[in-house]
Amino acid sequence: GAVVSQHPSRVICKSGTSVKIECRSLDFQATTMFWYRQFPKQSLMLMATSNEGSKATYEQGVEKDKFLINHASLTLSTLTVTSAHPEDSSFYICSARDVSAEAFFGQGTRLTVV
Amino acid sequence: KQEVTQIPAALSVPEGENLVLNCSFTDSAIYNLQWFRQDPGKGLTSLLLIQSSQREQTSGRLNASLDKSSGRSTLYIAASQPGDSATYLCAVASDSWGKLQFGAGTQVVVTP
Repeated sequence: GAVVSQHPSRVICKSGTSVKIECRSLDFQATTMFWYRQFPKQSLMLMATSNEGSKATYEQGVEKDKFLINHASLTLSTLTVTSAHPEDSSFYICSARDVSAEAFFGQGTRLTVV
Repeated sequence: KQEVTQIPAALSVPEGENLVLNCSFTDSAIYNLQWFRQDPGKGLTSLLLIQSSQREQTSGRLNASLDKSSGRSTLYIAASQPGDSATYLCAVASDSWGKLQFGAGTQVVVTP
């Protein structure tokens, strides 16, 4: 199947700093990518839809100024957590869809804010 | 709003037994349904994708069925192995854009 690569897999940052997470589709082009958040023992919750060359679409309750999404090319979307706080600590994971409409996910990023 | 439910939440079976995982959804107007596996602290691995026009999909020991009218999908794993221990998630797409609505998952433990 298609490959989606996410980096970094794990990051620890201090409160008030910003963290950037990258999501790349390695062997296919993705005009749309998705960012999810997963709390311990819970399922994935969609945060936003990342659209190549245009603004992201955020789900209700997700702060667009805190979670900045940029989709500058057909193979790369980035999520920047700005002014991170301990409550932003979570598992963030991206996905992209190939031409068959099958969704493929990155490896996820464990963010810990101290 | 689409809601996806997975039953049971957890399942423990001895090696060799068949696994049956259930997924139900409230809105039958789906585009496709996908089953994933997630290992602790890891991303999701796609297992099977069933398009809305299909009734089932098979891959090796895995078989997934889809009954849109009743809002149900079942994942069967034959002859379970300890390596099958993981959390299994089903997700529904309501359109072709790929936005998924996930169930809470079924945590499976296969004991040797």
